[in-house]
Amino acid sequence: RKEVEQDPGPFNVPEGATVAFNCTYSNSASQSFFWYRQDCRKEPKLLMSVYSSGNEDGRFTAQLNRASQYISLLIRDSKLSDSATYLCVAASGNTPLVFGKGTRLSVIA
Amino acid sequence: ETGVTQSPTHLIKTRGQQVTLRCSSQSGHNTVSWYQQALGQGPQFIFQYYREEENGRGNFPPRFSGLQFPNYSSELNVNALELDDSALYLCASSLGTGDENIQYFGAGTRLSVL
Repeated sequence: RKEVEQDPGPFNVPEGATVAFNCTYSNSASQSFFWYRQDCRKEPKLLMSVYSSGNEDGRFTAQLNRASQYISLLIRDSKLSDSATYLCVAASGNTPLVFGKGTRLSVIA
Repeated sequence: ETGVTQSPTHLIKTRGQQVTLRCSSQSGHNTVSWYQQALGQGPQFIFQYYREEENGRGNFPPRFSGLQFPNYSSELNVNALELDDSALYLCASSLGTGDENIQYFGAGTRLSVL
């Protein structure tokens, strides 16, 4: 079983749509969680950290459910520029970042 | 820009050859982590260097080795290249090794092994 699992997609959505990505992690000792965004043939860039209380940054909302070992990312009012691969990441103490395979999003005009 | 630079950007090698990839960390960062990202996969951890010492290693064979210099820049060396080594190699720098320290990625080196 992969440590971090994501639905690979692709998710093809129209502009303005709301889209949600889910991610599960297997290591119950994981303490820190992140969503990274990766454009085609580019490096991953931090989108946001994920906290137990949930956090919001503009159109993006991240949630963490420790009991279910589940992380989500919600994107509201999708823009064409949101098209990318979204990587779910878990980490624990001094262990390295563990990435999921990524979920590909295409926002269509 | 993250301030993390990698060189070269692209590289083509043949099986059995050796390759050295380089990474300059963001100013003030003392930790460098290396990842391999195959097509369609997430980045996989290779190893991490903290103040010139290896500080953790992923599930990669010994022919993957590294080095960190006093200025915290780093090298990744791969010997006896195999076709499956073709991937994007990413370097990430951070201030410290804890997971609360955000890792910033360079643009990567795309390695093709023929």
